[in-house]
Order: sequence, then structure tokens, then C-alpha cells
Amino acid sequence: QSALTQPPSASGSPGQSVTISCTGTSSDVGSYNYVSWYQQHPGKAPKLMIYEVNKRPSGVPDRFSGSKSGNTASLTVSGLQAEDEADYYCSSYAGSNTVVFGGGTKLTVL
Amino acid sequence: EVQLVESGGGLIQPGRSLRLSCAASGFTFDNYAMHWVRQAPGKGLEWVSSINWNGGTTGYADSVKGRFTISRDNAKNSLYLQMNSLRGEDTALYYCAKGRGFQTFDCWGQGTLVTVSS
Repeated sequence: QSALTQPPSASGSPGQSVTISCTGTSSDVGSYNYVSWYQQHPGKAPKLMIYEVNKRPSGVPDRFSGSKSGNTASLTVSGLQAEDEADYYCSSYAGSNTVVFGGGTKLTVL
Repeated sequence: EVQLVESGGGLIQPGRSLRLSCAASGFTFDNYAMHWVRQAPGKGLEWVSSINWNGGTTGYADSVKGRFTISRDNAKNSLYLQMNSLRGEDTALYYCAKGRGFQTFDCWGQGTLVTVSS
């Protein structure tokens, strides 16, 4: 159960797009279309933003999108807004009823 | 509205046991898998354990396997985490989360803080 790899930080100006990567292995990201992304503001509980690679829960703006290629998943935030500044975590099903998270990426809106 | 309220955290000495609870409301509890996820102070999220709708299937992180036990009482709409042989590295905010399947956490509680220290 090794953590997925995310860049520690990412940034963009308002209105721009930013993409956060999440790299796993053929045992997790590469094997299952069960990648999720969570947004966490300081002092708050995480919020589900993307599930099953590219599906958005009700209420999540369509500025948030997800994709996957091989062992790497990505979250793209388009039309950056100030309120998008937060920590973002990816997770993946890893088989045998286990889940693994990424280390998290701090997104800064410049 | 989905509500998840964790309780049972506190300051506990290494080697001791603690039981966390999560009271669920606003959804049909026994239709969903449930999960525990923790976050050490200033650190990232770590999946801890999951349980399916009827308790027949469970999963554990390697870091807690053999020490923690997840369970649920569907009659009481409650989720539990029995934590034994606690270590300093178990110090974290423990979140209860509702599952979207066994792989996704679609609603989270506010967490209960567990501090393991002598």
C-alpha cells in the first residue's frame, strides 16, 4: 500500500487552467477506474470533487474534470477562482478491499 | 441532509485501546459501505478501514491491520472503529465517511481527534 504520487504544489492565476497529476502503479490507478479527487480547505473536512476517474457529484462545478492515462490520473481545474485555493488529494482503489491516497497538492490561486 | 458525527476521541496512552463511533443520519445507512480515514496533524489523508453494507466485507490499511477493527450496527445507524495497541503514529483526526461503493468517500464527518501520548 504505497501512497500515490502528487506534486506538493501547483498554482495558477484566476481564469487560467491548472492540472494536478496523480501517479500510481499497475496495481492501483492502472488497474481500476476508481480514481477519486477530494478538495480540502484549511480546517475543513474533505469534499468529493471527482469519482470514477471523470464523474462529478451533483453540485461540483464543471470547471473540475478528471482523466486517466495508464498509471497516471489527472485533475484539471479550468477558469480558476479564488475559492479553488485548497489542498487536493487523489485516491484509488488498490484491490483486496483497500484504498490508497496521494500525498496531496496545495493549489494556490495567484 | 447527510450527517456524520464522530465521537470517542481523546488523549490516550500508548498501548491502550479506544473505540470511535460515528452516528449517521439523513440517508439509508444499511444501503452503503462506510469508511474511516485519518489525517495526522499537518499531514495528508490516510485511508484506515472500510466495511460493506452488512459488515460481511472489510478492509484495512497495513498500518492498522491486526490492531484496529471496523464494525457497524445498522439498527443504530452507527459505525465503529475499535483501536487497540495504540501507537504515537496513530495520532490523527479520524474521519467517518459514507461510501459511494467501496472505493469512494462521498460525504465526510468533521472528525474526532485521537492523541496517543504518555
